[in-house]
Amino acid sequence: QLQLQESGPGLVKPSETLSLTCTVSGGSISSDNFHWGWVRQPPGKGLEWIGNIYYSGSTYYNPSLKSRVTISIDTSKNHFSLKLSSVTAADTAVYYCARAPFVLYWYFDLWGRGTLVTVSS
Amino acid sequence: SSEVTQDPAVSVALGQTVRITCQGDSLRTYYASWYQQKPGQAPVLVIYAKNNRPSGIPDRFSGSSSGNTASLTITGAQAEDEADYYCNSRDSNGNLVIFGGGTKLTVL
Repeated sequence: QLQLQESGPGLVKPSETLSLTCTVSGGSISSDNFHWGWVRQPPGKGLEWIGNIYYSGSTYYNPSLKSRVTISIDTSKNHFSLKLSSVTAADTAVYYCARAPFVLYWYFDLWGRGTLVTVSS
Repeated sequence: SSEVTQDPAVSVALGQTVRITCQGDSLRTYYASWYQQKPGQAPVLVIYAKNNRPSGIPDRFSGSSSGNTASLTITGAQAEDEADYYCNSRDSNGNLVIFGGGTKLTVL
């Protein structure tokens, strides 16, 4: 059974870069049937899409975050990563990685458990 | 438009039927999907592409769509259905994912 697991620092200082990795187990990240994405949720608030990546490296980003976001994929390690630069307190959130079937209607069918990242000095 | 909107809160009596709606221009082009999120947990997909249920989702959950509005219906709501529900769609203007603001469902 395929599983996703986020990992990375739980505390990041303002103006620094947030870096997270999502490790996929129980299946290959190189499947051409799926996108892989990041979604975040500030405490007490709703879901916000950050971006998706395809195994080929094609990326799609939320325009509101695009200038600060980089999503990459390493098929040899079966993981994909998120970098968010110049963070502020507003970037404090639970960050989820998720799988998105590569179909006309974009949705996420499998999610990691999420990891809380706090931006604070 | 890159927005889909949901009512912030809805309530339903135990065993009754409730409809949660999601509105937006993108829903004229792309079907919505729906997620259930309980406190402290990751979202769970309950309906995808208008009215398809993933394995393990009870058949009391169903989806529909008309014009710019998508709906999630729970027929015979149970206490365990109390949760936040989010819709999402693909933006009609590009390769973007959009989420609604979420609806808090209370089962009375």
